[in-house]
Amino acid sequence: QVQLVQSGAEVKKPGASVKVSCRASGYTFTTYGISWVRQAPGQGLEWLGWISSYNGNTKYAQKYHGRVTMTTDTSTSTAYMELRSLRSDDTAVYYCARDGGALAVAGDFDYWGQGTLVTVSS
Amino acid sequence: SYELTQPPSVSVSPGQTASITCSGDKLGNKYVCWYQQKPGQSPVLVVYEDTKRPSGIPERFSGSNSGNTATLTISGTQAMDEADYYCQSWDTSTVVFGGGTKLTVL
Repeated sequence: QVQLVQSGAEVKKPGASVKVSCRASGYTFTTYGISWVRQAPGQGLEWLGWISSYNGNTKYAQKYHGRVTMTTDTSTSTAYMELRSLRSDDTAVYYCARDGGALAVAGDFDYWGQGTLVTVSS
Repeated sequence: SYELTQPPSVSVSPGQTASITCSGDKLGNKYVCWYQQKPGQSPVLVVYEDTKRPSGIPERFSGSNSGNTATLTISGTQAMDEADYYCQSWDTSTVVFGGGTKLTVL
């Protein structure tokens, strides 16, 4: 069965970086993309960006351009999301989700990871 | 930037039909997905490409999209359907979520 398993919770200080991993199993990794979505406490869902697991192409939300980097390691079927220059309002649960698009954003997220809580606090 | 607007809350009695709307400029020209999220859980896709249901999603969940409004309809609403619901679409390869609607079954 398809599973996306994310790395554990992180506590970071303002100005630091965080890198969250998302290990996929149960399907051919390179035939789908991965999107990253975050949810601040008590708030709604916010899309950060997408990466093609096939060729590594990325599409980032304008708001995060220059601060986020998404990568994949096809040898381990793992996607990574790094967010830099963290601020307190980056405190959120970060999700990876399988995206139907291998070559472009398809926008249908049929499987989600369990979420990774990132807390930014001094 | 493109925006999707949902009502913050909708209430429904058990067994009745719940309708949750999502509005955006010319939304009917785009595909819409709907996600259900229960407290402390990851979102679950319940409708994609406006009207399609993923495997395992009950038939009581259905979707439509026309003009500027997409609608998620839950027929014969059950207590287990109480959750937050988010619509989602994309514009110029940028994914956009609605603000979410809390469905209360009472």
